[in-house]
Parts: sequence; C-alpha cells; structure tokens
Amino acid sequence: NAGVTQTPKFRILKIGQSMTLQCAQDMNHNYMYWYRQDPGMGLKLIYYSVGAGITDKGEVPNGYNVSRSTTEDFPLRLELAAPSQTSVYFCASSSGSNEQFFGPGTRLTVL
Amino acid sequence: GQSLEQPSEVTAVEGAIVQINCTYQTSGFYGLSWYQQHDGGAPTFLSYNALDGLEETGRFSSFLSRSDSYGYLLLQELQMKDSASYFCAVRVVGSGNTGKLIFGQGTTLQVKP
Repeated sequence: NAGVTQTPKFRILKIGQSMTLQCAQDMNHNYMYWYRQDPGMGLKLIYYSVGAGITDKGEVPNGYNVSRSTTEDFPLRLELAAPSQTSVYFCASSSGSNEQFFGPGTRLTVL
Repeated sequence: GQSLEQPSEVTAVEGAIVQINCTYQTSGFYGLSWYQQHDGGAPTFLSYNALDGLEETGRFSSFLSRSDSYGYLLLQELQMKDSASYFCAVRVVGSGNTGKLIFGQGTTLQVKP
C-alpha cells in the first residue's frame, strides 16, 4: 500500500493564480482531511470529508475549496492565491479510529 | 473557544527521560492524541488517551487527567532519532464521527549526545 500520496511536492504560484493540490489514499478510508502548517506552528484544519460526496469546513476554509467524488481522492483547490496561503499542506485519512495517516505534504509558496 | 498549550522547546540528553506537557481548554472533550513530526516530514501517530491514566507503548507513554484538562507524553531512554516536534491534539465533542482534531503548536525536542 502506498498509503496517502500528495502531488506536487513543491509549487511556486504567483498572486492570483489558481491550483489544485492532489491527495489520494489506497486504504479505503472514509475520512479525509486537509491541513495547513505554517512555520513553527501546529496544523490547522482546512476542510474534511466523512465519505464520498460529503465535505465540510474546518477552522480555516477561506480561500479554498474541496470535492470528494470518490473514496480515494480528495483534491484541494486554491482560487486566487495570496501570500497568506504560503504554507505546507498535509492531507490525512482515517478509518474512523483515533489514528490519522498523513501524506508527505505539499510545500506551496505564493509570490 | 478551543486552545491547547504545550512548551515550545525541550532539550534533553541521550538516555534521559523527558516529559512534554499539554493543557487544553475545550467546550467538550473526547480524547487526547500525540503525534511526532521530524523536520520536513509528515506527522505520525503516537498515542491516544480517552480515559484517565497512563498508556505505555515501548519507550513512549502518554497520560491523561480529564479533571485537570491535562496530559503528557513521556519519552524514556532518549535516542538521537527522537529529536523531532511533538504535537498534542484533542478530539472535541461536537466532532461527532468526523474525527476532527485541534492541534497544539508543538514542542520541539532536541536530544543532545
């Protein structure tokens, strides 16, 4: 099993550009999450999903959108990128147990 | 609101024991988790406490006191590879079956030879 995979690993965006961060898991987990981590800080929940077709906002959803058309995939869309969105983005999944499995992260810089 | 407090940095020597504390203020509480993150890496799950008391897993133990809104992670026989950031995270009432977590800001542990 590959676990949780994320692409791309790194990306530089210009202000106002848009992009989609990809996340996939092969563990058949219903629960998936998107977090951002700013330098020296903890993880903040952006959006989450409890199953295909069901998504909801987390603590910091502004400027982002998600979709969940399949159990495996949970892409995160950034519209009109801003410097404040410079961060490391982690995707995670869970079977509903107390353990979340994290992907390797996407390092995004907005200039 | 919800908040978690943990020390920003801890330093210890190889072979020693270190305790990383976490206090939380939440509107409700299911349990306390701990995650480890090496520099530049993904967080990995260490432990979860829903009930009061100590849970032991090898060199790592985690403790919870619900009445004191307090928990800690205890690392024994420290090794250089334990140098990492450690995050406490609470699963709060109202998260239902979503498994949503609120993370602390992390404690950076530096293990010295």
